[in-house]
Amino acid sequence: DVKVTQSSRYLVKRTGEKVFLECVQDMDHENMFWYRQDPGLGLRLIYFSYDVKMKEKGDIPEGYSVSREKKERFSLILESASTNQTSMYLCASSLRGQILYGYTFGSGTRLTVV
Amino acid sequence: KNQVEQSPQSLIILEGKNCTLQCNYTVSPFSNLRWYKQDTGRGPVSLTIMTFSENTKSNGRYTATLDADTKQSSLHITASQLSDSASYICVVKGANNDMRFGAGTRLTVKP
Repeated sequence: DVKVTQSSRYLVKRTGEKVFLECVQDMDHENMFWYRQDPGLGLRLIYFSYDVKMKEKGDIPEGYSVSREKKERFSLILESASTNQTSMYLCASSLRGQILYGYTFGSGTRLTVV
Repeated sequence: KNQVEQSPQSLIILEGKNCTLQCNYTVSPFSNLRWYKQDTGRGPVSLTIMTFSENTKSNGRYTATLDADTKQSSLHITASQLSDSASYICVVKGANNDMRFGAGTRLTVKP
């Protein structure tokens, strides 16, 4: 089974802190994604990556950056956390070129910024 | 306006009853539609995928339908169980690989 592992289930950070959310997948997937999930809004794409060192902005990239130094790891960085970034963050991965192949999601990280 | 609208927003049913969740979309051109189940505190897990040519697909007690002409899909759950309590998310993929997520329906099954 494909596994997408997010390093933390729950995080509490202070406003202004730099926050790192880590995601690792073990099935050699090319594509990796970071979403945030808020009630009533569904999942919204923050950033995605189709290859190592490659990144593309999603729908809501403001206040975030990402890093993909290795194929299996995709990190989401909040440079200066703010309270409006309190949310559930979901990482996902998929195979490139597999149109019918869905995402495999991690279990999520619930981030609270106080 | 979200390109994928789900209804109802939440639903409470008794164990053993059936229910139907709706998904309407405007994503175009269309590639496929997938239903995910998301347990509380977990990531979404795929239940079923529908392509343009498919009208109905079943996965155990879950049956998904797709009407590509009216851009509507439904997820029917038969003989509900307590473990069906979860959020159900409709995801539509455009032909340009753009993925659009619905906000989800929160289902609660009570004994």
